[in-house]
Amino acid sequence: DQQVKQNSPSLSVQEGRISILNCDYTNSMFDYFLWYKKYPAEGPTFLISISSIKDKNEDGRFTVFLNKSAKHLSLHIVPSQPGDSAVYFCAASAGTGNQFYFGTGTSLTVIP
Amino acid sequence: DVKVTQSSRYLVKRTGEKVFLECVQDMDHENMFWYRQDPGLGLRLIYFSYDVKMKEKGDIPEGYSVSREKKERFSLILESASTNQTSMYLCASSLSTHIRGYTFGSGTRLTVV
Repeated sequence: DQQVKQNSPSLSVQEGRISILNCDYTNSMFDYFLWYKKYPAEGPTFLISISSIKDKNEDGRFTVFLNKSAKHLSLHIVPSQPGDSAVYFCAASAGTGNQFYFGTGTSLTVIP
Repeated sequence: DVKVTQSSRYLVKRTGEKVFLECVQDMDHENMFWYRQDPGLGLRLIYFSYDVKMKEKGDIPEGYSVSREKKERFSLILESASTNQTSMYLCASSLSTHIRGYTFGSGTRLTVV
């Protein structure tokens, strides 16, 4: 059973606009969350993280929001750039020493 | 920067062959993982290892085995390759407390014909 879900397989956004990628999880023990970015023919690379003691973490153009009561997190990219076109995976773990569970990914296309 | 190196970018093997996928990391990470990535299914964990000679099954271990004889090297073995094992295989490593998650290799695209 998929414990981490990304219900949108794809998303298209105009350059300069905001991209919002969503992720839902079912396990209430998850307390550490990551977003990864993956280009074709490359491995995923770490983008941003958030722990359950926070509800927001920001790094440049990337912000992750966590809503623990809804078991939902989102990644905001502002402004979106063509180089952001990639597949984005969210991942969750119960504790920083435990296995991460990955979502199915959302393919983002930023249109110039 | 941590580097995770997978020995092959592309492989084509025949059904029934024994296939070895090799992964080496250079930063003394305790944990190593093998995932496969398939469209619509995301990243699924095959096997992982928390220490030398230790291995744990992931979510989809059937048809696979692993070997970790040295800390830096984690091998994935397809005992008898089948067409449903055609996939992108990703190796990853991490410290025991993975604050920044896993570091992934570039992947091996395996095609079984």
